Amino acid sequence: AQKVTQAQTEISVVEKEDVTLDCVYETRDTTYYLFWYKQPPSGELVFLIRRNSFDEQNEISGRYSWNFQKSTSSFNFTITASQVVDSAVYFCALSGGISGNTGKLIFGQGTTLQVKP
Amino acid sequence: EPEVTQTPSHQVTQMGQEVILRCVPISNHLYFYWYRQILGQKVEFLVSFYNNEISEKSEIFDDQFSVERPDGSNFTLKIRSTKLEDSAMYFCASSEAGKITPSSYEQYFGPGTRLTVT
Repeated sequence: AQKVTQAQTEISVVEKEDVTLDCVYETRDTTYYLFWYKQPPSGELVFLIRRNSFDEQNEISGRYSWNFQKSTSSFNFTITASQVVDSAVYFCALSGGISGNTGKLIFGQGTTLQVKP
Repeated sequence: EPEVTQTPSHQVTQMGQEVILRCVPISNHLYFYWYRQILGQKVEFLVSFYNNEISEKSEIFDDQFSVERPDGSNFTLKIRSTKLEDSAMYFCASSEAGKITPSSYEQYFGPGTRLTVT
């Protein structure tokens, strides 16, 4: 069975602090994909990043960076120099398999990030 | 930039009534999905739809639920007889995935329809 665990329910930081959101996944598939989505207070789900299981290279996009480690089944997300606009719920998600899989996303419980001015 | 749209943004209905939630996916996308999010909880997969048929459904998606693509643009979710526990935010999503490796494509989500069953 596939599962995503985001152990941190809520994190509160002060603006300009760095913050890391943890994500641990379980899957029996050898090919799978990991995603991060942001859900701001307005409620929509905004795609942030996709990684496949064969690409363990870390990625940086502006203040955002992602650390994928297959050895620990983790796909952590770091925001550097956080800003108030980063306040949102962040979801890690997993989609697995090759042909026959329909692309359904398995979401973690989400981490609520509050950035205070 | 193309986006997924959903109507209505908020639907209030009485228990036992039928509701239809509507979605317009991004025009060149082929794979469509419905998810729901009960207030304060995680997003849960309901159903995926490809080539005019359901490709996968979760245990949540029982006989009370159905999906349809009545024309070339709309994608609907029908709940035949709503229950209190159906109250949730319902998200439609689409991706440009084809039949092969749909998992590798990001899904674009609509803004959601908040369904309140009283």
